[in-house]
Amino acid sequence: QVTLRESGPALVKPTQTLTLTCTFSGFSLSTSEMCVSWIRQPPGKALEWLARIDWDDDKLYSTSLKTRLTISKDTSKNQVVLTMTNMDPVDTATYYCARGRNYVDYWGQGTLVAVSS
Amino acid sequence: EIVMTQSPATLSVSPGERATLSCRASQSVSSNLAWYQQKPGQAPRLLIYGASTRATGIPARFSGSGSGIEFTLAISSLQSEDFAVYYCQQYNNWPRTFGQGTKVEIK
Repeated sequence: QVTLRESGPALVKPTQTLTLTCTFSGFSLSTSEMCVSWIRQPPGKALEWLARIDWDDDKLYSTSLKTRLTISKDTSKNQVVLTMTNMDPVDTATYYCARGRNYVDYWGQGTLVAVSS
Repeated sequence: EIVMTQSPATLSVSPGERATLSCRASQSVSSNLAWYQQKPGQAPRLLIYGASTRATGIPARFSGSGSGIEFTLAISSLQSEDFAVYYCQQYNNWPRTFGQGTKVEIK
């Protein structure tokens, strides 16, 4: 079955860089049309799609956050990594790893990242 | 960027009653719209894609309709497990964008 799991720090300081890893199973990112995305949700707020990486290594980023985001994949390890630079308290959120090109059919359980000094 | 607007923000419904949720796009998204359900402390769950196609395992009491800029999610007879927050999401353009959510609560 398809599973995704996020890992990374629970707390980062302002101005630091956040690195999150998504480890998945049940599918391969080398398969045509497969994509993995990162989506976040601040506490009590709506969802925001951050970035997507495709099977062919095409990458798409949120318009407002593109200068701060980098997404990459390691197909052999079934992992996708997201880095977000210059973290701010407003970036406090649950970060989800998700499978889907257009909509998400499988989600990770999410990881809560707090930004505080 | 396409803005998705959901209404109402909160919907109070009695169990067994019908609930109707609305989602409006700032420009046409054709039928490229999905609906998700999210319960507290959980990741969202895909309910509907293509505006009206139920995802695998989703009960028939959930139905989606609409195209262009106006969409509706209907829950025909609310069960206790249906009280949650519902989000619409367009995938006609990048970036993919979500509505702000509608909370369906027990009346």
